[in-house]
Amino acid sequence: KAGVTQTPRYLIKTRGQQVTLSCSPISGHRSVSWYQQTPGQGLQFLFEYFSETQRNKGNFPGRFSGRQFSNSRSEMNVSTLELGDSALYLCASSGGQSSLEGYTFGSGTRLTVV
Amino acid sequence: KQEVTQIPAALSVPEGENLVLNCSFTDSAIYNLQWFRQDPGKGLTSLLLIQSSQREQTSGRLNASLDKSSGRSTLYIAASQPGDSATYLCAVGIQGAQKLVFGQGTRLTINP
Repeated sequence: KAGVTQTPRYLIKTRGQQVTLSCSPISGHRSVSWYQQTPGQGLQFLFEYFSETQRNKGNFPGRFSGRQFSNSRSEMNVSTLELGDSALYLCASSGGQSSLEGYTFGSGTRLTVV
Repeated sequence: KQEVTQIPAALSVPEGENLVLNCSFTDSAIYNLQWFRQDPGKGLTSLLLIQSSQREQTSGRLNASLDKSSGRSTLYIAASQPGDSATYLCAVGIQGAQKLVFGQGTRLTINP
């Protein structure tokens, strides 16, 4: 079955702009999580959605937001981009209501802010 | 606050060796522990998932163990191959929080 699909794969944006990233989970999975990966901070949790509801949010400024649609696809938005937002953004999906089934990750979106 | 540590940060070994990667975590209230592999510039590939009630999981040449009481997990790779070269990440699933907390990873290089 198809894995987790993230689009686009690469993005270059200018400081101050906003960006929207998309994630399609594995068919049947209702939980979608987002993570930011940078060389300095490693992988950090952004937020998690289950059945269109945000259940948990990491320690990121309000410029980072997300949503989930009724088909479980999710988007994350970053407004007023800063140079420090340059990172690999990874989406993960999970089949269960809890974390028991583990997570499957997509290939990521590489965001470069110039 | 859960903290996950992986030792060593980098490891270089000749092909054919058996090796062990270590992961430790500070809070034993976990759902599970998952080992991932990441190739440069790529996403994460899940290798093994161990539930908190389990002691180990095996897949091919990989074996992962979990000792929740001591806050430790190990990933054993048998008969290493150059294709095993990658960064290996350990992540714990947090009870009631629906998120993973990651270690910083071990960058593994297998020399032909």
